[in-house]
Amino acid sequence: DQQVKQNSPSLSVQEGRISILNCDYTNSMFDYFLWYKKYPAEGPTFLISISSIKDKNEDGRFTVFLNKSAKHLSLHIVPSQPGDSAVYFCAASGDPGNNRKLIWGLGTSLAVNP
Amino acid sequence: DAGVTQSPTHLIKTRGQHVTLRCSPISGHKSVSWYQQVLGQGPQFIFQYYEKEERGRGNFPDRFSARQFPNYSSELNVNALLLGDSALYLCASSLAWRGSSYEQYFGPGTRLTVT
Repeated sequence: DQQVKQNSPSLSVQEGRISILNCDYTNSMFDYFLWYKKYPAEGPTFLISISSIKDKNEDGRFTVFLNKSAKHLSLHIVPSQPGDSAVYFCAASGDPGNNRKLIWGLGTSLAVNP
Repeated sequence: DAGVTQSPTHLIKTRGQHVTLRCSPISGHKSVSWYQQVLGQGPQFIFQYYEKEERGRGNFPDRFSARQFPNYSSELNVNALLLGDSALYLCASSLAWRGSSYEQYFGPGTRLTVT
C-alpha cells in the first residue's frame, strides 16, 4: 500500500510560470516531509523540507505547503526554469518506532518548456 | 567539499552471484542509509546505520545485509542475486538518524544489472 502518493506522473509548464507538484499521504504519524529532485543517472538532490508543526516553508523559488487535515502537501516553483526539468519525489518520515526511514512517492516528471 | 561517493558506478552480475556495494558519506555525517530504486518507482528503504549500529531495516530478504565502518563508510552486500535485484542502489548520508538534522544527501548510485 502506497503511503505517499504522487498522483500526477508528469507535468508540463512554460518557463516563467508556476509549477505545482502535489503529494498526498495516508499515515498520520508522518511528521516530516521532504522534496527531492532527481536528474537521470544521478542520485536524488534534497530541495526543501517541512515539519508537521508548520504549514509553509520557503526557500528561494521553492515553497512547500502542508495541509495536515487533508494529509496533502505541495511544492511550488516560481518562476519555473528549464533547468528545473527533472523528476520530483515527495518523501515522508515519522515511523512510530522513531526509525526515521523515508517513505517515498513514485515521483512526478516535470518538464519546463522554454 | 566531496559529496556522498559510491562505487562502483555500474555492475553486471549473474544470477546466484554475490555483490558488494560501497558508500562514503559526506565528511562529518555519521548516518548512512541504503535505498533500492527500480525503474518507475521511488526509492525503497533497505537499511539505515548510525555509529556502526543498524537503526532501521526495510522489507528486504536476508540476502541483503550491510555494515558501517569506524570511518562511517558503509557496504551493502547482496547474496544469491536474482534478476529482480537489478536496480539503482542509492546511498544517502545525514548528520544524525533522527531529530532535525535529518535531510539526507544522496550519492550518484550504483546501477546493478543481474543477468
